[in-house]
Amino acid sequence: KAGVTQTPRYLIKTRGQQVTLSCSPISGHRSVSWYQQTPGQGLQFLFEYFSETQRNKGNFPGRFSGRQFSNSRSEMNVSTLELGDSALYLCASSRGGENTEAFFGQGTRLTVV
Amino acid sequence: AQSVAQPEDQVNVAEGNPLTVKCTYSVSGNPYLFWYVQYPNRGLQFLLKYITGDNLVKGSYGFEAEFNKSQTSFHLKKPSALVSDSALYFCAVRDNSNYQLIWGAGTKLIIKP
Repeated sequence: KAGVTQTPRYLIKTRGQQVTLSCSPISGHRSVSWYQQTPGQGLQFLFEYFSETQRNKGNFPGRFSGRQFSNSRSEMNVSTLELGDSALYLCASSRGGENTEAFFGQGTRLTVV
Repeated sequence: AQSVAQPEDQVNVAEGNPLTVKCTYSVSGNPYLFWYVQYPNRGLQFLLKYITGDNLVKGSYGFEAEFNKSQTSFHLKKPSALVSDSALYFCAVRDNSNYQLIWGAGTKLIIKP
């Protein structure tokens, strides 16, 4: 059974540009969550999609957006990149129920220069 | 509001000794609790979860966790630590109102030979 796949693994962008990250969940999983992880801030929740609808949203500016497709694959987009957006972005998928665990991808390391 | 606390930023243990990584939680309703481990530059890996039933939960890599309802704790334990257990450990609780996972700040576990 294939795990959660995130692409690309590494990305270098220039300040002001935009970026799109992709996440393919485990087959059968309908929930996809996105997190930003930085050394000083730990795991910060961005948003969660369940069956193509945003179910939860963290406290991030509107520059951060996401979507989920009918096959449960998800993308997140960051516009007008800032240096502070440099981080490891993690995607997690689950069946979506209250007692179900989430499975994480390897992450996308974004560096903004 | 739902919350998770990991009171120790870092735990140091000698190889072969028992280890404990602490987690306390606050949640309304039934708690659904999870432990994850993260190795450097990797995504999080699921270790174990408590849903209901036996207060001692066994998970991957010889880890176990003890659920204590009266103390609202869910401490991670291992009888004999290995150097390879050195990693970052996260505790999480499911928010019953919206299914969102609430994360602790993480505890760095260092096992010394």
